[in-house]
Amino acid sequence: QKEVEQNSGPLSVPEGAIASLNCTYSDRGSQSFFWYRQYSGKSPELIMFIYSNGDKEDGRFTAQLNKASQYVSLLIRDSQPSDSATYLCAVGASKIIFGSGTRLSIRP
Amino acid sequence: DAMVIQNPRYQVTQFGKPVTLSCSQTLNHNVMYWYQQKSSQAPKLLFHYYDKDFNNEADTPDNFQSRRPNTSFCFLDIRSPGLGDAAMYLCATSRGPGETNQPQHFGDGTRLSIL
Repeated sequence: QKEVEQNSGPLSVPEGAIASLNCTYSDRGSQSFFWYRQYSGKSPELIMFIYSNGDKEDGRFTAQLNKASQYVSLLIRDSQPSDSATYLCAVGASKIIFGSGTRLSIRP
Repeated sequence: DAMVIQNPRYQVTQFGKPVTLSCSQTLNHNVMYWYQQKSSQAPKLLFHYYDKDFNNEADTPDNFQSRRPNTSFCFLDIRSPGLGDAAMYLCATSRGPGETNQPQHFGDGTRLSIL
């Protein structure tokens, strides 16, 4: 069974701190990795995607990929209350598989 | 702005009464997907089209069908909705080929309720 695993949370982080979200995957053939943000009752919104080992930065967001260890993470710097949402990790191999998400709560 | 548009946003139907959900896109993407998402769960892929080629997931019930009459539109038909089909239905698009390597862009979803 090819899986994408995320800690369901909730992960509580103080405003202004760094939020770190992790995701592991089982298919070593996976080639593409995506992070989506989903507010309650809304649809997923693409935040970042990464294809190569290492870090990729976009504003306050950094995606980190380690294919040898089969994990991908998302760092959110200077966390804001508006970052409170569920973050879905998605991994692409023969098809894209979504994790069930980590609920992030930014406390003032 | 280029968009993925789903209609309606909310749909209420009766148990066993056929229902159709629609999705349109102005992104001119080759690939269109339908997902089912229940509360606190991962989106579950039902099927996708790569241009006119239909790809059904093995565990998608026969009750669910789809049509893509042209590049811009895709429909999800639920022939005889059961209580377990109440969920958010998400339409997404991506560029092809190599659809598993391309980001997917989602519409706002249709929340389906079954009475």
